[in-house]
Amino acid sequence: AQTVTQSQPEMSVQEAETVTLSCTYDTSESDYYLFWYKQPPSRQMILVIRQEAYKQQNATENRFSVNFQKAAKSFSLKISDSQLGDAAMYFCAYRSAAGRRALTFGSGTRLQVQP
Amino acid sequence: GAGVSQSPRYKVTKRGQDVALRCDPISGHVSLYWYRQALGQGPEFLTYFNYEAQQDKSGLPNDRFSAERPEGSISTLTIQRTEQRDSAMYRCASTRDSNTEAFFGQGTRLTVV
Repeated sequence: AQTVTQSQPEMSVQEAETVTLSCTYDTSESDYYLFWYKQPPSRQMILVIRQEAYKQQNATENRFSVNFQKAAKSFSLKISDSQLGDAAMYFCAYRSAAGRRALTFGSGTRLQVQP
Repeated sequence: GAGVSQSPRYKVTKRGQDVALRCDPISGHVSLYWYRQALGQGPEFLTYFNYEAQQDKSGLPNDRFSAERPEGSISTLTIQRTEQRDSAMYRCASTRDSNTEAFFGQGTRLTVV
């Protein structure tokens, strides 16, 4: 079974600064997807960024980018120019490319943004 | 619909009562997933459907939990004889097909008293 580990329960960043959230995962599969979801106080789940394991290029979405290290099974999220609206819980998630397609989530990192 | 809709948003029930949680996925989405999220934790998989077929129910914690999607659209998660430990946020997500991103509903917060 796949597992996802987020070792930082809480992180804090100053507005306009850069922060990196860590995620590691364990799998025996070679083809899969990785995601970062944001959960603001409204408790909605919002997809931030997605990475296909077969792609070597790291995904980027505006101020959000990932550092995907397949051999190390690491998938960190970098938020540049942090904004107050970035304050939320962030969940890393894994999904197989075959078989069961459900998401396996980490336990989350709470990000605080200081003005 | 425009997004995944779940109802009710909040449900308080007495221990021992049955509850039914509803999920209305995005129109045309093939796959529908149910997750449960405890406070301070990530969502955990319960079950999922492709069309009306329940493909995997390995995440259902016990036989008090069941789910159906009879016409391949709206789904109902039923919890019989609720217990306090069932209190959590129950989330539904749908995907257009098995390889596309999941869209989540707002969730149903269930409190068993």
